[in-house]
Amino acid sequence: SQTIHQWPATLVQPVGSPLSLECTVEGTSNPNLYWYRQAAGRGLQLLFYSVGIGQISSEVPQNLSASRPQDRQFILSSKKLLLSDSGFYLCAWSQKDRVSYGYTFGSGTRLTVV
Amino acid sequence: GEDVEQSLFLSVREGDSSVINCTYTDSSSTYLYWYKQEPGAGLQLLTYIFSNMDMKQDQRLTVLLNKKDKHLSLRIADTQTGDSAIYFCAESTTGGFKTIFGAGTRLFVKA
Repeated sequence: SQTIHQWPATLVQPVGSPLSLECTVEGTSNPNLYWYRQAAGRGLQLLFYSVGIGQISSEVPQNLSASRPQDRQFILSSKKLLLSDSGFYLCAWSQKDRVSYGYTFGSGTRLTVV
Repeated sequence: GEDVEQSLFLSVREGDSSVINCTYTDSSSTYLYWYKQEPGAGLQLLTYIFSNMDMKQDQRLTVLLNKKDKHLSLRIADTQTGDSAIYFCAESTTGGFKTIFGAGTRLFVKA
């Protein structure tokens, strides 16, 4: 069966520090991968999506970046965090030929920038 | 651009029916989804409806789609305290590599 792992679950980082959040998917190949951010009391904002290794599309210009070094690995990074980067970060995957299956989400990372 | 809108809060009594509404703007939407998010967790897909359907029922859940008005609703029968969560409406076009989510409706169930 397919599973998605996202870590860490919580993170408190000072302003100006770097960030690396990792997401891995098991049990499938060539998935579409996504990073979303959910700010407190707000909806989901799509940050990045990837349809294949090394292929990253950015939805929102900001100081975050994403990389997909392997088929089932998706990494969200920042060189210098801002206070406004605080939020709940969700990784998700979907199957290219099964739109009806929707997205499968990880359990999320709560990031607090102090 | 594409947009999905939902009311932010809904409060019901245990045992009553809950109806969560959603409107979307993209007339080329192929699939419409309802996701559930419990506190501190990721989203779980509850159900979906294909755009050529009017209704879909799955146990206590009923999804109604009015394609003309671009209106989607989720009815939860016999709402329980365990149904308290945030419910997200989402839409996707054929190809489905980009799904647009609403802001979520927080459902409170009073015992």
